[in-house]
Amino acid sequence: AQSVAQPEDQVNVAEGNPLTVKCTYSVSGNPYLFWYVQYPNRGLQFLLKYITGDNLVKGSYGFEAEFNKSQTSFHLKKPSALVSDSALYFCAVRDPGAGSYQLTFGKGTKLSVIP
Amino acid sequence: ETGVTQSPTHLIKTRGQQVTLRCSSQSGHNTVSWYQQALGQGPQFIFQYYREEENGRGNFPPRFSGLQFPNYSSELNVNALELDDSALYLCASSPWAAVAYEQYFGPGTRLTVT
Repeated sequence: AQSVAQPEDQVNVAEGNPLTVKCTYSVSGNPYLFWYVQYPNRGLQFLLKYITGDNLVKGSYGFEAEFNKSQTSFHLKKPSALVSDSALYFCAVRDPGAGSYQLTFGKGTKLSVIP
Repeated sequence: ETGVTQSPTHLIKTRGQQVTLRCSSQSGHNTVSWYQQALGQGPQFIFQYYREEENGRGNFPPRFSGLQFPNYSSELNVNALELDDSALYLCASSPWAAVAYEQYFGPGTRLTVT
């Protein structure tokens, strides 16, 4: 079975500082990994994905994520945080080898960027 | 390009009743998935529809059912509502059913069961 863990319920960072939101996963084969962001009373917005290739993936709004197979991690990063980045962030995984379309999400991490 | 839309925005139902939620997929997308997001939790996969057929289902009972129409819009039906069904229901569309594609989410329908 596939699963995702986001070990931090909340991350606080000062505006202008780098931010990291952590994600680890468990799948039987090679994972497809995704990051989404959710603003209050809104649906989820796609940020970036890792399917194959370069371990460093660049996405929307200056976000990037690094796939680390040995540590089964896919941490979300941004060099300089903005107050507008404050939101709920979800990591998600699919196991294509299992033949499943199911996207499994973590519980989410609330990011607060302090002015 | 029109994004994913859902209706209604909010809904209040009584335990035991039935509810239908609706979703219009993003232009050009033929695959629709439904998720349940309980308060403080991540979305949980209910099922996916591709070319009007269900082609994947999560761990939800049969009283959760769906339809996809020829224009790729979709409905989620929940029978015999329970208090635990109270949640935000999200619809997501993607251009194909392939697992490598990201999904684009609608704003959701907030269902409250009393």
